[in-house]
Amino acid sequence: QKEVEQNSGPLSVPEGAIASLNCTYSDRGSQSFFWYRQYSGKSPELIMFIYSNGDKEDGRFTAQLNKASQYVSLLIRDSQPSDSATYLCAVNGMGGGSNYKLTFGKGTLLTVNP
Amino acid sequence: SAVISQKPSRDICQRGTSLTIQCQVDSQVTMMFWYRQQPGQSLTLIATANQGSEATYESGFVIDKFPISRPNLTFSTLTVSNMSPEDSSIYLCSVQLAAQSSYNEQFFGPGTRLTVL
Repeated sequence: QKEVEQNSGPLSVPEGAIASLNCTYSDRGSQSFFWYRQYSGKSPELIMFIYSNGDKEDGRFTAQLNKASQYVSLLIRDSQPSDSATYLCAVNGMGGGSNYKLTFGKGTLLTVNP
Repeated sequence: SAVISQKPSRDICQRGTSLTIQCQVDSQVTMMFWYRQQPGQSLTLIATANQGSEATYESGFVIDKFPISRPNLTFSTLTVSNMSPEDSSIYLCSVQLAAQSSYNEQFFGPGTRLTVL
């Protein structure tokens, strides 16, 4: 079974701190990795994707990928209360042939305290 | 990205009835998908909506229960048939803009919140 694992949380950080969200995946052949933010009662919103080992930065967000360890993370610098949401990790290309499919983790609930 | 709309945004239905959910995109897209998100859970792919042909269903989902249409490159419908309370969920359509990206990122519509009594 192809799986994407995330700590469910809640992860609580103070305003201004760095929030670190982690995700592991089971299929070594996975190709692209995505982070979605989902506010309560809303649909998922794509915030980052990464496909090469290393770091990718976009504003306050940094995605990190380590394919050897099958690990992807999202760092949120200078966390704001508006960052409080569930963060979903999604992996593309798991299971071989159907490259377009995404497999989602269960999400990590992040709470940023003012 | 694309502008994606879904109708209805929410509905409350009686057991045994059916509901059709519409997904409309403001531009032509190659891939459209339907997901279910049950309360407190993550997203589960129901099927890939194929333009002009039968949808491709994931394990555990069948056409008789979730018939899908995709008559063109901007529109799809998902029907939830013979509903039971276990079908209470959020149903989401998503699209992939392959012409703009080769990394297969997906963008989601606002979702349809279904409650079955």
